[in-house]
Amino acid sequence: LAKTTQPISMDSYEGQEVNITCSHNNIATNDYITWYQQFPSQGPRFIIQGYKTKVTNEVASLFIPADRKSSTLSLPRVSLSDTAVYYCLVGGRGAGGGNKLTFGTGTQLKVEL
Amino acid sequence: NAGVTQTPKFQVLKTGQSMTLQCAQDMNHNSMYWYRQDPGMGLRLIYYSASEGTTDKGEVPNGYNVSRLNKREFSLRLESAAPSQTSVYFCASSERTGLLSGGYYEQYFGPGTRLTVT
Repeated sequence: LAKTTQPISMDSYEGQEVNITCSHNNIATNDYITWYQQFPSQGPRFIIQGYKTKVTNEVASLFIPADRKSSTLSLPRVSLSDTAVYYCLVGGRGAGGGNKLTFGTGTQLKVEL
Repeated sequence: NAGVTQTPKFQVLKTGQSMTLQCAQDMNHNSMYWYRQDPGMGLRLIYYSASEGTTDKGEVPNGYNVSRLNKREFSLRLESAAPSQTSVYFCASSERTGLLSGGYYEQYFGPGTRLTVT
């Protein structure tokens, strides 16, 4: 499984765009990049998944450069309710739906007024 | 549509006691999983069931057993609880395991069971 590195914590204010970068230097050809969100006392929730270039859904965008050694989760105009831990997952049969879903420690995002 | 449900929500055990954590999903998913999350840590996979009738070990299976009772239900049993098993346990399900065109199958998580072993 590819090892991922992401910031331990980030702070932002309501209405700002937040970008969380994940480093995954040894990503394999077949690997996808998946992000989950976890609120306190809840299970993680799938946010977005991508393989290359850019993916956008109603919640976030995921930017993946050509070399795929990193990825950036972009949350547009965050609100207080976006305060959560965000996990970046990359790997073989585990990133978002496989047999061995491996979470790191994630990035604690705190949004303030 | 309740999604993934877990019982109980909280449990306190003494060392050596046994208990079973229950999980059920109503999404007709084939695959189910059990994870544990220790304070300040990410989730670690204990066991998973790719489909009804099959179970496999995950990253931290020691001290646990599982049963895939039917397509809906997947239980986790602690035969002799230890303080090191104090954790929050999450059950999850997905349509399938593995990779299909467009990426991996999304996992849906339950609310968790907070277990304390004294």
